[in-house]
Order: sequence, then C-alpha cells, then structure tokens
Amino acid sequence: AQTVTQSQPEMSVQEAETVTLSCTYDTSESDYYLFWYKQPPSRQMILVIRQEAYKQQNATENRFSVNFQKAAKSFSLKISDSQLGDAAMYFCAYRYAGGTSYGKLTFGQGTILTVHP
Amino acid sequence: GAGVSQSPSNKVTEKGKDVELRCDPISGHTALYWYRQSLGQGLEFLIYFQGNSAPDKSGLPSDRFSAERTGGSVSTLTIQRTQQEDSAVYLCASSRRRRESPLHFGNGTRLTVT
Repeated sequence: AQTVTQSQPEMSVQEAETVTLSCTYDTSESDYYLFWYKQPPSRQMILVIRQEAYKQQNATENRFSVNFQKAAKSFSLKISDSQLGDAAMYFCAYRYAGGTSYGKLTFGQGTILTVHP
Repeated sequence: GAGVSQSPSNKVTEKGKDVELRCDPISGHTALYWYRQSLGQGLEFLIYFQGNSAPDKSGLPSDRFSAERTGGSVSTLTIQRTQQEDSAVYLCASSRRRRESPLHFGNGTRLTVT
C-alpha cells in the first residue's frame, strides 16, 4: 500500500521569505503523480502543483516549486516570496497513474503554514 | 454552477440518527469522489463514482455508510445510525474522466455527532 508522510505538523515563515515543506512517500509503482494541495479555512482543497513521476524536471507554478527526488521518494514544496494569503494547511498527495480511478489519492497528514507579517 | 457544491455546510446530529450529505459536481464531470477528513488528519478516500456506477467502494469504513449517484450528477452519501467517530468533514470532488484531469473539491460538510 502507498503511504505519504509529512513530518512537519507546523511551519512558520516571515512574509517575503522562503519556506520548504517536506514530504516523503512509499510506493512500489514507477508511474504515478504527486500533488501539493492547499486547504484554507474555507475547507476547499486547492491544487497548488502537480508532478508526473516520469518527468525529471521539477514542476514550478509561479512562486511555488518542487524538489522531486524519485530515488529517495521525496517531494518537497518550496514557496518563495511568501504572502499572507499562503497561510493554510498544505497536503502532499500521491496517485497511481494506472487503473481508472484517477481521483483516488493518498494524502499525508498535512502541514499548517503560518505566515508572519 | 461554477464549482462543486455540497450541502449542508454543517450538520449536527444525535448519535444513532441517520444523515444524508449531498454533492452537486461540476457539470460535465463524470467522475465523482467522496473523501473524509477527521480532525487534524489528512483526507481518506471513501468511494468513487463513474457515471452512476461505483467501481471502487473500498474506502467505506462500515456497512453503515452508503452512497448513490443519480443521472450522472448529484450524489448522496448516507450514514446510518451515526456514531461519534463519524464526526469529520466530508469532502466531495469531481473531475473529467481523463488521466490528467485535476480534481475539483467542494467546501465539504462538517458533521458533528453528539
């Protein structure tokens, strides 16, 4: 079974600074997707960034980038120039790329990010 | 609607009562998923619908939990004889049935069993 582990229950960062959230996962599959989701107090899960395992290049979306280390099964999220609106719970998630259940994700326990002005 | 709609937003019920949670997916999304988020925890997959069929029910925690989807659209998650451990946020998500299609989540229903 796949597992996703986020070892940092809470993190904090000063506005405009950079923060990195950690995630490790365990799988025997070679074809999969990894995701970072943001959950603000509204409870809605918002996709931040996605990485396909077959791509060696790290995904980036504006101020958000990942460090994907496939051999080490590590998938960290870097937030640059942190903004107050980045404060939320962040979840790392895994999805097997095969099969037909494309939305069946395995989530980590989450990291609460606080941004200080 | 523009997004996934869930109702009610919050529900308080007494132990032993039945509850129904509703999800209205984005129009045109044939895939629908239910997840449960217990306090301070990550999301736990419950069930997947493709159209009106549920090819994957592996996450339903007990036979007190059931779900249906009608007309390839609205889905209802029913919890019978609720227990205190059922207290959680229940999130619904929908997507197109394509490998690269992202999930779109609703705002969830917070269920409290007293």
